[in-house]
Formats: sequence, structure tokens, C-alpha cells
Amino acid sequence: DAKTTQPNSMESNEEEPVHLPCNHSTISGTDYIHWYRQLPSQGPEYVIHGLTSNVNNRMASLAIAEDRKSSTLILHRATLRDAAVYYCIPNIYGQNFVFGPGTRLSVLP
Amino acid sequence: NAGVTQTPKFQVLKTGQSMTLQCAQDMNHNSMYWYRQDPGMGLRLIYYSASEGTTDKGEVPNGYNVSRLNKREFSLRLESAAPSQTSVYFCASSVSTNTEAFFGQGTRLTVV
Repeated sequence: DAKTTQPNSMESNEEEPVHLPCNHSTISGTDYIHWYRQLPSQGPEYVIHGLTSNVNNRMASLAIAEDRKSSTLILHRATLRDAAVYYCIPNIYGQNFVFGPGTRLSVLP
Repeated sequence: NAGVTQTPKFQVLKTGQSMTLQCAQDMNHNSMYWYRQDPGMGLRLIYYSASEGTTDKGEVPNGYNVSRLNKREFSLRLESAAPSQTSVYFCASSVSTNTEAFFGQGTRLTVV
């Protein structure tokens, strides 16, 4: 199983960009990198996923290192609603769809 | 547009009682999952069902059983509840085991 390392917590000011890093040095060549987030008192929600090249959607961007051993989730303009725990998951196949401790993002007004 | 629906939303059980947590999805998804989340902790996978008719253990299956009743429904049963099973339980579903997953709002279970 691919293991991940994320900072326990990060802080950002409102309307500033946020870069959330994740190391997944044991990822296999076919594993997509997935990001989910969990807002307070809610279930997790999908944010974005990618394999090799950078990905964008309406919520965020995902920058994947060329060697795929790390990735960065980018929130272009943090809002108060983005305060959540962010999870990086390298492989969501079956029993591998596990959540580590994630990064708790605080957004300051 | 219901998505993933869990019932009940809240439940209090006495030690030794049994109950079944229900989960249904209306997105025609193949894969379904049950997780538990203890206070201040991450989610832990209890059981999953990659497709209708199959179920497999996750990280913390002891004390639980599951049934994939049909493609829509995946239930989680506690045969003899224990205080250690006090937690928030989340059900999730996805088209397959490597695509975006959708989560329910959770069932908050307290065992006294």
C-alpha cells in the first residue's frame, strides 16, 4: 500500500492561495492520486484526482511531481468555507480506500 | 437528487443490543463502503463491496457484519453493541473502485 505524509495542520488567510502538500513516495505507477476533504460535521467530499499531469476543476488544482512521489493541492483563493480536513489518498481500490489523519486547514478572515 | 442516504441519523443503544445501519444510493454505483470515525480521528474502513454480490473486510471489521442486499443497498449490522463502537458511521459509494466516491451524512451511534 502506498503511504502518505501530510502536515497535520496549515493556516491561510482568506482570499489567499493555499498549497497543501502530500508525499506518497511508494505510489505505484498506475495509482491515481485522489484528494478529499471533510468539512466540520459532514462526510468527506471529493475534491480532485489525477495520474500524471496537472489537473484543474472548479474547486481546486492538483500539481503532480514528475516522479509522482509527491503532489500539491492548490486552492486558488481560500474562503472560510474551505476550512476542513484535507486527505490525500494514492489508491482508492477496495481495501486501499483508507483515510490518514489528513491536513487540518484553518482559514483566517 | 438524494445521492447516498443513511438511516438513522442518530441512535443510542445499550450494550449488547443489536441494530442495522441502512445505506442506499440512487446513482447506480457498483462499489459501496462503510467507515467509522471516532472523535478527532480519521475514517477507518470497516467493510466494502466492490460490486453487487461481493463483500470484503476492511481495516476494522471485528464486531460488524454487512449485507449487499442489491445494487442500491449496503447495510451494516452490529450484533452485540459495545461502548467501543460509539462512533460516527459513514457509508459511501462509487461507480467503481477507482472513481469519485460520494459519502452519506453519517449515522451518529452512541452505545451506553
